[in-house]
Amino acid sequence: QVQLQESGPGLVKPSQTLSLTCTVSGGSISRGGSYWSWIRQHPGKGLEWIGYIYYSGITYYNPSLKSRLTISVDTSKNQFSLNLTSVTAADTAVYYCAREFRFGDGFDYWGQGTLVTVST
Amino acid sequence: EIVLTQSPGTLSLSPGERATLSCRASQSVRRNYLAWYQQKPGQAPRLLMYGASSRATGIPDRFSGSGSGTDFTLTISRLEPEDFAVYYCQQYGSSPPLYTFGQGTTLEI
Repeated sequence: QVQLQESGPGLVKPSQTLSLTCTVSGGSISRGGSYWSWIRQHPGKGLEWIGYIYYSGITYYNPSLKSRLTISVDTSKNQFSLNLTSVTAADTAVYYCAREFRFGDGFDYWGQGTLVTVST
Repeated sequence: EIVLTQSPGTLSLSPGERATLSCRASQSVRRNYLAWYQQKPGQAPRLLMYGASSRATGIPDRFSGSGSGTDFTLTISRLEPEDFAVYYCQQYGSSPPLYTFGQGTTLEI
């Protein structure tokens, strides 16, 4: 059973960098064919895809966040990470990491989500 | 960007009834790459359907999906108490952003 777990600060100051890590257990992040995404949900709102990374390091980002976003992978630790720079209150959301088993097959495993609040 | 519009916004039904949820895309969805999720308060979304009509692992057969092109439907044949939740559709497209979600349908008692 694959499990994903987000970790990182729950409070970030405006203009600083939001950094989260997703630790994958029960399966290898290096398994070919799977894509590893970050998705966020603003309070009381819908879902927004942030970006994905493949184990080889190939990334694809949501254009609305691309200029501030970096997603990286550490296969030795079975983790992938998100860095979002110059955050504002609009970046306050629950952040989820999720796996797409195969391209286009939907996100079948999700982390529990972590609330990140941007505030002074 | 493909925009997904879900209707109705809220659906009020009773256990045992049939629920029909709609998801309409602003452009044809590539290769029917359309998924449905269920989300309960305080929980992560749960994958129900992918490829428009394939049930995900462990999903009861009272859930079914249909549609192609721009119009898709999630049907719950006989509502159970645990089915009352928010439902999202999601597509994978060839133009950025690669994945988009609908705004959600709340299924309430």
